[in-house]
Amino acid sequence: QKEVEQNSGPLSVPEGAIASLNCTYSDRGSQSFFWYRQYSGKSPELIMFIYSNGDKEDGRFTAQLNKASQYVSLLIRDSQPSDSATYLCAVSSGGYNKLIFGAGTRLAVHP
Amino acid sequence: SAVISQKPSRDICQRGTSLTIQCQVDSQVTMMFWYRQQPGQSLTLIATANQGSEATYESGFVIDKFPISRPNLTFSTLTVSNMSPEDSSIYLCSVDGGFYGYTFGSGTRLTVV
Repeated sequence: QKEVEQNSGPLSVPEGAIASLNCTYSDRGSQSFFWYRQYSGKSPELIMFIYSNGDKEDGRFTAQLNKASQYVSLLIRDSQPSDSATYLCAVSSGGYNKLIFGAGTRLAVHP
Repeated sequence: SAVISQKPSRDICQRGTSLTIQCQVDSQVTMMFWYRQQPGQSLTLIATANQGSEATYESGFVIDKFPISRPNLTFSTLTVSNMSPEDSSIYLCSVDGGFYGYTFGSGTRLTVV
């Protein structure tokens, strides 16, 4: 069974700090990696995706991928209370490129 | 990116009945994916729906319980059959939006009583 592992949290950070979210995956054949944010009662919304080893930055968000270690992370700089949500790591798998999700990490940013 | 209209947004159903959930996409897509999100849990893939062929189900999900239709490249339905309280979940459809990543419908919150 191909798996995606995340620390469920909650991860609590003060406003303005860097939040670091981590994810590991078991399928070495995975090619695409995604971070979604999900507010309570809402459907997931895409924050970032990354395909290549290294870092990818978009505003306050940086995704990091290390395929050799089967590890992907998301850094949120200057965290805001509005960033408080559950962050889902997802990995594409299989011939249909279906997404397999981790359990999600709950992030709480306190003023 | 693709926009998905999903309905109903929520429903309360009696055990033993069935509910059909619809997803309409504003562009043609090859694959549509159906997920279940149980209370407090992450998303679990139910099946992948390809137009013109039978859906491919994940381990633990069967066609008799979750029949899927995919009549064209913009539409799909998921039926939750012979419901029990354990089926109370949020059901979501999703499509691969290419460069824009995978997008999700707004979800159907199902409560079985």
